[in-house]
Amino acid sequence: QVQLVQSGAEVKKPGASVKVSCKASGYTFTSYGISWVRQAPGQGLEWMGWISAYNGNTNYAQKLQGRVTMTTDTSTSTAYMELRSLRSDDTAVYYCAREAAAAPADYGMDVWGQGTTVTVSS
Amino acid sequence: SYELTQPLSVSVALGQTARITCGGNNIGSKNVHWYQQKPGQAPVLVIYRDSNRPSGIPERFSGSNSGNTATLTISRAQAGDEADYYCQVWDSSTNVVFGGGTKLTVL
Repeated sequence: QVQLVQSGAEVKKPGASVKVSCKASGYTFTSYGISWVRQAPGQGLEWMGWISAYNGNTNYAQKLQGRVTMTTDTSTSTAYMELRSLRSDDTAVYYCAREAAAAPADYGMDVWGQGTTVTVSS
Repeated sequence: SYELTQPLSVSVALGQTARITCGGNNIGSKNVHWYQQKPGQAPVLVIYRDSNRPSGIPERFSGSNSGNTATLTISRAQAGDEADYYCQVWDSSTNVVFGGGTKLTVL
């Protein structure tokens, strides 16, 4: 079946970096894109950015420009999201979600990973 | 920047119809997607491109979009529909944006 499986929970200190993985299975990875969405405790959904697994094009939320990098490894059908210079307000559940290959929010995010909890604390 | 406005909460009696709105400037010209999120779970896409249901989503879920308001309608509401609902669009100035979310309570 189509699924996205994310890496496990992380605890980081302020100023550190975190890299979350998202392994796809059950579909042709390069025919789609991946968006990353985070949710702080008790808060709503926040879009972080999108990457096309077809051609590697990226589109990042302006708020995170310069701190976030999204990549893919097509040989293993895995997407990665790296967030640097972590702050306490980066504490959240981070989700990957399948998207259209050509652009984000074209047909909605139809398959989601299970979420990865990232805690930033000194 | 583009903003989407949703009511914080909506209540509906069991078996009745719930309507959740999503307001935005000229949202009728955009593709609106809707997600359902239950506590401790990842979101689920329930409506895409204004009014289309993904496979496996009951016909009780429908959507419309016109002018400055998009609406998610849930007919014959069930206890299992209790969840947070989020609308989402793409805008050239903001990229992808989510509404703040609406908590649906089934009484």
